[in-house]
Amino acid sequence: AQSVSQHNHHVILSEAASLELGCNYSYGGTVNLFWYVQYPGQHLQLLLKYFSGDPLVKGIKGFEAEFIKSKFSFNLRKPSVQWSDTAEYFCAASGGSYIPTFGRGTSLIVHP
Amino acid sequence: GAGVSQTPSNKVTEKGKYVELRCDPISGHTALYWYRQSLGQGPEFLIYFQGTGAADDSGLPNDRFFAVRPEGSVSTLKIQRTERGDSAVYLCASSFTGSGEQYFGPGTRLTVT
Repeated sequence: AQSVSQHNHHVILSEAASLELGCNYSYGGTVNLFWYVQYPGQHLQLLLKYFSGDPLVKGIKGFEAEFIKSKFSFNLRKPSVQWSDTAEYFCAASGGSYIPTFGRGTSLIVHP
Repeated sequence: GAGVSQTPSNKVTEKGKYVELRCDPISGHTALYWYRQSLGQGPEFLIYFQGTGAADDSGLPNDRFFAVRPEGSVSTLKIQRTERGDSAVYLCASSFTGSGEQYFGPGTRLTVT
């Protein structure tokens, strides 16, 4: 069965610290990968996506993610977090149907 | 422009009752998705519409759940004989095409007492 695992459920950082959130997927064949973010009181919104091409994907607000096919991973990174990055982050994957399977999410709290 | 809207924002109902949840997608978006999100979990796919037809309803948990999109725009998710386990946030998303970026609505929080 298709699945997405996010290993960090809660992450607490101080401002300017570096961030890496893990995401592993279990999919056969072609895979499309996404990171979504949900800021407090707001809707889920797309942070970045990978369909094909350069495995290093850059998204909004300084976030990036790297697709490593051999490790079935799509980890999210940011070199220096800000208080405004406090949010829930969801990794998702889809195959040819384009219907994504979401991970359970990682709650990030950034202390000023 | 206007985003995806969902009504009501909150719904409290008694066990056994019928509820309808509404989703207004972004104008021109042909694809519409329904998800359910329980506390501490990610969104779980329920059903996907392409135009008026349900292209994939494999995520509907049982026959108490049904959704329609009669004119290819607004969609209604219908839940019959609600159970306490149906309590969750129901999310709607739309995209320009089936493979496009999904835009999510604010969700409807359903509580079954």
